[in-house]
Amino acid sequence: GQQVMQIPQYQHVQEGEDFTTYCNSSTTLSNIQWYKQRPGGHPVFLIQLVKSGEVKKQKRLTFQFGEAKKNSSLHITATQTTDVGTYFCAGRTNAGKSTFGDGTTLTVKP
Amino acid sequence: DAGVIQSPRHEVTEMGQEVTLRCKPISGHNSLFWYRQTMMRGLELLIYFNNNVPIDDSGMPEDRFSAKMPNASFSTLKIQPSEPRDSAVYFCASSSRMGANVLTFGAGSRLTVL
Repeated sequence: GQQVMQIPQYQHVQEGEDFTTYCNSSTTLSNIQWYKQRPGGHPVFLIQLVKSGEVKKQKRLTFQFGEAKKNSSLHITATQTTDVGTYFCAGRTNAGKSTFGDGTTLTVKP
Repeated sequence: DAGVIQSPRHEVTEMGQEVTLRCKPISGHNSLFWYRQTMMRGLELLIYFNNNVPIDDSGMPEDRFSAKMPNASFSTLKIQPSEPRDSAVYFCASSSRMGANVLTFGAGSRLTVL
């Protein structure tokens, strides 16, 4: 079945440093979504990427979708303490099923 | 809209007891998903419904788990009998094609089976 791998599992950074998490799918995706889950909270939608090679930005967050539509990345510039949480990618196939990666948990030291 | 509503928020029960988790999706959303989250296994899709019909229940762990969606505004996930390994946070999420299939999650039900 479809597998979505996410790395790293954990990332500890000093406030102001950059952060990147990577998502790789075993199959070609129709789209990919990114979610953020704060400690003790629930996943909240951040963005969806659909087109091959697509790049989208939300303030300090940059999202990329690979040319082959099998990988994606989320990059945060100059992390802040409000960025802490677990970032999940969810890859959706043409069959309509979304599979979540295991998430990358970000901690930020002030 | 109040979002996806789940109840109870917390449940502590003893092994062997029946557990029923409830979910009210966002009005107008035609898809509903049940996820289980644990440290060991991450976010697992248990089952999802389209227009109240179960589409894929391949993630349901075993026959002790069952889910129903009797109408567009209500779904239940039942565990009978419960076991300690069922302890997890259970999330319900809903989505709509009009909303680009973006998942809106409820706050979750934290289940502890002693």
